[in-house]
Amino acid sequence: GENVEQHPSTLSVQEGDSAVIKCTYSDSASNYFPWYKQELGKRPQLIIDIRSNVGEKKDQRIAVTLNKTAKHFSLHITETQPEDSAVYFCAASSAGGGADGLTFGKGTHLIIQP
Amino acid sequence: NAGVTQTPKFQVLKTGQSMTLQCAQDMNHNSMYWYRQDPGMGLRLIYYSASEGTTDKGEVPNGYNVSRLNKREFSLRLESAAPSQTSVYFCASSGWQRPYEQYFGPGTRLTVT
Repeated sequence: GENVEQHPSTLSVQEGDSAVIKCTYSDSASNYFPWYKQELGKRPQLIIDIRSNVGEKKDQRIAVTLNKTAKHFSLHITETQPEDSAVYFCAASSAGGGADGLTFGKGTHLIIQP
Repeated sequence: NAGVTQTPKFQVLKTGQSMTLQCAQDMNHNSMYWYRQDPGMGLRLIYYSASEGTTDKGEVPNGYNVSRLNKREFSLRLESAAPSQTSVYFCASSGWQRPYEQYFGPGTRLTVT
């Protein structure tokens, strides 16, 4: 089955700086890579996603890049703000085609220092 | 729309007791999922139902059973709870138009003593 590795487990950055979280996956058939943000005690919420036929996607201050050859993808947050503090999870679709669940990384705790 | 709802929000069980976690969605989604979240482990798929009438095992199905009662509802049952099942349980759903995009419920925090 799919295996997703995520690094780092904790990331502390100064407010206004950029943050980068990286993930690798094992199944070359995976074709959908979402990122979820989870605040303390809340549910995971989808913030951005990318499909395997696209190399980069941007939405305001967040962007995701995908390198299919190397089987890794990254989340980039620019101009970080206090409300960006949360745990971020990457995930990859199972090879079955989407409706059979996601495999998640173990999460990155992003801390924005004032 | 309420989205995905789960009951109960919190539950404490003794070892060996049974219980059912309920999940419902009002988005007319075809697929529903149960995940568990443990500290430092991310979310792991327990069972999923790709469409009404079907259920399949995920990564960590042992000790659990599921029922897809109808298109809206997907329940998770612990027949004989164990301390290793102490976790936060999330239900999620996705629609046929965007089958990968999953919407999560608020979670159930379960403690087994």
